[in-house]
Amino acid sequence: EAEVAQSPRYKITEKSQAVAFWCDPISGHATLYWYRQILGQGPELLVQFQDESVVDDSQLPKDRFSAERLKGVDSTLKIQPAELGDSAMYLCASSLQQGASYEQYFGPGTRLTVT
Amino acid sequence: QQQVKQSPQSLIVQKGGISIINCAYENTAFDYFPWYQQFPGKGPALLIAIRPDVSEKKEGRFTISFNKSAKQFSLHIMDSQPGDSATYFCAAHRGSTLGRLYFGRGTQLTVWP
Repeated sequence: EAEVAQSPRYKITEKSQAVAFWCDPISGHATLYWYRQILGQGPELLVQFQDESVVDDSQLPKDRFSAERLKGVDSTLKIQPAELGDSAMYLCASSLQQGASYEQYFGPGTRLTVT
Repeated sequence: QQQVKQSPQSLIVQKGGISIINCAYENTAFDYFPWYQQFPGKGPALLIAIRPDVSEKKEGRFTISFNKSAKQFSLHIMDSQPGDSATYFCAAHRGSTLGRLYFGRGTQLTVWP
């Protein structure tokens, strides 16, 4: 069964350091999402890509966060500099988004701890 | 502002019982309502979903009931099992093909054997 891959699974970093997360969506899925999930809450969208283009980054803190999907396949989310409040689970999801298919499939996430 | 309100925050059910989780929304532009199941340390997994032109959808022990006029929908888990113990999230999709999902805050379900 095809899955969304993410790495690393866990990351501990000191505040003010840079950190990057990688996501490989399900093959053929044109739409890719990055979510942040704070402990005890639901996922919140950070950025959405359609192929290599950003279609929604309204909730991305652009002063410190950046995301790219250069070839329209895998994607990288970067935080620089990391702050204590960035400690959370970072989830990647992908979707076929063809016709009326809205199903999003999530990866296992990257648990970030900022010390 | 929370686009989708979910309750209860936590739920304890005995094995074999019925688990019921409720969600409410305000935005009538929402056009797709999925439920996700999440185990500790894992990403959310799509469980079941419904569109607003249907009042009920059943898949195995899981049923979504949808009340369009009340702008509410709920997940019913029949014959709840200890393996169902997880966090459940409702969500709502807004927009066209490139629309986005808005998640509730989640319900932590514990099923006692």
